Amino acid sequence: DAKTTQPNSMESNEEEPVHLPCNHSTISGTDYIHWYRQLPSQGPEYVIHGLTSNVNNRMASLAIAEDRKSSTLILHRATLRDAAVYYCILRGLSGSARQLTFGSGTQLTVLP
Amino acid sequence: DGGITQSPKYLFRKEGQNVTLSCEQNLNHDAMYWYRQDPGQGLRLIYYSQIVNDFQKGDIAEGYSVSREKKESFPLTVTSAQKNPTAFYLCASRKGGQGANEQFFGPGTRLTVL
Repeated sequence: DAKTTQPNSMESNEEEPVHLPCNHSTISGTDYIHWYRQLPSQGPEYVIHGLTSNVNNRMASLAIAEDRKSSTLILHRATLRDAAVYYCILRGLSGSARQLTFGSGTQLTVLP
Repeated sequence: DGGITQSPKYLFRKEGQNVTLSCEQNLNHDAMYWYRQDPGQGLRLIYYSQIVNDFQKGDIAEGYSVSREKKESFPLTVTSAQKNPTAFYLCASRKGGQGANEQFFGPGTRLTVL
């Protein structure tokens, strides 16, 4: 199974951009890159996903390296409500690879 | 409002008792999932179902059982065979199909076995 590597924790100041990195050097050509986040004592929440091109939505942007071996989730202006664990996940399109495999994620702390 | 509900939020049971966790969704989603989360860890997949009356084991199915008799419901039973059942249990659903569409998660049930 393709796996991802993320830093255990990161800090950001409120109102500043945050770049959360993810390495996935064994990604296959059909794996989508998904990001979820989890606030304390809640279920995870979908943030964004992409395949090859950079993606933007109302929550964040996803920048995908040209070789697809890494990606970066960008929060343009961090708020205190963005403090959460962020998971970078690869999801295939067939068989067991279609399921989400959660690693330990990155704990983001936002400082006021 | 559409969504996923899990009940109860907190559940206490004595060791050796089976317990069933409820998961209901009104999103008309085909696929449903159960995950377990231990403190400071990511989620681990217990069971999943892609269609009514069909389900597959995930990575840590031992000591658990599920049923999918209705599209809206996917209850999880934690049996006495589960060696360490105290954990946070999360249910999720997905629209289904080959697309990379997202999973929607419920609020979770925190199970404590005394």
